[in-house]
This record gives sequence, C-alpha cells and structure tokens, in this order.
Amino acid sequence: QKEVEQNSGPLSVPEGAIASLNCTYSDRVSQSFFWYRQYSGKSPELIMSIYSNGDKEDGRFTAQLNKASQYVSLLIRDSQPSDSATYLCAVFSGGFKTIFGAGTRLFVKA
Amino acid sequence: ETGVTQTPRHLVMGMTNKKSLKCEQHLGHNAMYWYKQSAKKPLELMFVYNFKEQTENNSVPSRFSPECPNSSHLFLHLHTLQPEDSALYLCASSQEAGERVLSGANVLTFGAGSRLTVL
Repeated sequence: QKEVEQNSGPLSVPEGAIASLNCTYSDRVSQSFFWYRQYSGKSPELIMSIYSNGDKEDGRFTAQLNKASQYVSLLIRDSQPSDSATYLCAVFSGGFKTIFGAGTRLFVKA
Repeated sequence: ETGVTQTPRHLVMGMTNKKSLKCEQHLGHNAMYWYKQSAKKPLELMFVYNFKEQTENNSVPSRFSPECPNSSHLFLHLHTLQPEDSALYLCASSQEAGERVLSGANVLTFGAGSRLTVL
C-alpha cells in the first residue's frame, strides 16, 4: 500500500517566522511531488511541484526533495496569517494515481 | 474560480434516494477524477478517467457509479448510500493522467467540492 505521511499538527508559528512542513512517502519509485494548500471550507490548490532532488524556490516557498530518504518538505519564509491553512503533500508514483497525505494544519499568529 | 465547476455544492439525501453530482471543466484537460475527503483522513481517490476511459476504480462500492460522457464532464451517480458516505466529494482535472510525469501533466486542478450528507 503506497502511503504518504504527514504530521497532522497543528503547527503554530509567529508572523514573520519560517514554517517547516514535512512529508515522507513509502513508494521508492515515486517521481513527482506536490504541495497543495487548502483553506478551511475550500478545495486544495497547488502551490509547489518538485521532480528532482534538491531545492526549488518560488517566492516565499521552498520545496525540498530527498529521494534517498523518501522525504519532501515545504518551507514558508516570512509566514503571514494568510498562510494559515492545511498543507497537503501529494505524490505521483506512476499509473494514474496521485496519493495524498492527511495534511498538516498551520496557524500563523499575528 | 478554478475552471472546474461542481454542482450541487451541498446535498442532503436519504439512504434510499438517488442523486447525482456533476463536474465540468473548462481547462481543455483530458483527465478527470473523483476524490472523497473525510475529516482528518487523506483524500481518497475514487475514480480516474483519461480521455473518457475509466483507468482507475479504487475499490469503490457499487453504490457510487461514475459517468464520463466527454473529456469536459464527469458525473457521480449516488444510490442507496450509507451515513458513512457523508463527506466532501472533490472533482479534479489534469492535462492528462499517466506516465508523462515531468511535464506537469498530472498536476490536479480541483473544483470547490460537493458537501454530501446522508441521513
């Protein structure tokens, strides 16, 4: 059974701090990794995708991938209250399935 | 507005009712998906259609019946549901589904969801 594991949180950080969200996955042949953000009562929206080992930066967001450790993370710099949401880690391992973790709830305190 | 529209947004039904959820995408995508989201559980993939062909049925009970008449429309027909089927049902689309992972073709765009309550 392919799995994606996340700490459910909640993770609470003060405004302006760095929020660090982590995810591990079980399928070694996984190729594509995604972070989706889901605000309460809304649907998930893609914020980052990463396909190769290392870091990928987009504005205040940095995704990090380590395939040897089967680990992917998301860093949010200068966290804002508007970043408060549930962050879903998703992994595509081939075939037609994208598997999601249960999500980490992030609270950014003003 | 994501380009993926779901109706109805809220649905309450009895266990003996028959109802349908509708999804329409205006993104020119070729793959469409149904996911179930229950509280504190990961999104559960239910069905995948790629170029109108069903490619995944993730052990979903037969009381859920999908229909994909074309690449832009997807339905989920509901019949004799159970209270534990109460959840948020999310439709998503992607450029296509399958092995072309590096092109971003599998990136999902979600609709707003249909909140289903089964009494």
